[in-house]
Amino acid sequence: NAGVTQTPKFQVLKTGQSMTLQCAQDMNHNSMYWYRQDPGMGLRLIYYSASEGTTDKGEVPNGYNVSRLNKREFSLRLESAAPSQTSVYFCASSDGAGESYEQYFGPGTRLTVT
Amino acid sequence: DAKTTQPPSMDCAEGRAANLPCNHSTISGNEYVYWYRQIHSQGPQYIIHGLKNNETNEMASLIITEDRKSSTLILPHATLRDTAVYYCIVKIYNQGGKLIFGQGTELSVKP
Repeated sequence: NAGVTQTPKFQVLKTGQSMTLQCAQDMNHNSMYWYRQDPGMGLRLIYYSASEGTTDKGEVPNGYNVSRLNKREFSLRLESAAPSQTSVYFCASSDGAGESYEQYFGPGTRLTVT
Repeated sequence: DAKTTQPPSMDCAEGRAANLPCNHSTISGNEYVYWYRQIHSQGPQYIIHGLKNNETNEMASLIITEDRKSSTLILPHATLRDTAVYYCIVKIYNQGGKLIFGQGTELSVKP
């Protein structure tokens, strides 16, 4: 089991460029999440998908879009990157979206926008 | 949203028990307490969670007070590899299971 995988591991973008961060899980989990972590801070939720076919905004959704491609894959798109989006992005998955399900995290994508 | 308060940093001697406190005085009756840790900016790692009873697994024990306003994570025999930032989180009920991360406690295990 690879768990949660993310690609790429590192990325440098220029302001205004677009890119898609990919996330996949092989645990047959129903729910998937995208978080960002700025230096010295805890993680903040960007978007989540409680089940295949649904997506919802989290705390900081502005500037991002998501696609739940299928049960395994959940992608995060930056349409026009800004320096404020320089961060580490973590994807997570869980068996359910209820309060008693733990989330499993990927290794992160380190994004720098210049 | 239920908020948590943790000390910003703690030290522990290798081989001793590490006791990490957390206050969550506004927790609701159906909200769980979760603990995660993050080593070196890797992805957070799930440790344990509980509702009202004390819980134990292969990694740690979780002690929740009877009024549920605070909890303690116990690592029974801390090793150098337990050096990490530990997050105490109250999971939001009925909001997609989202986790609200605070600043966490930076635990340094020293030889």
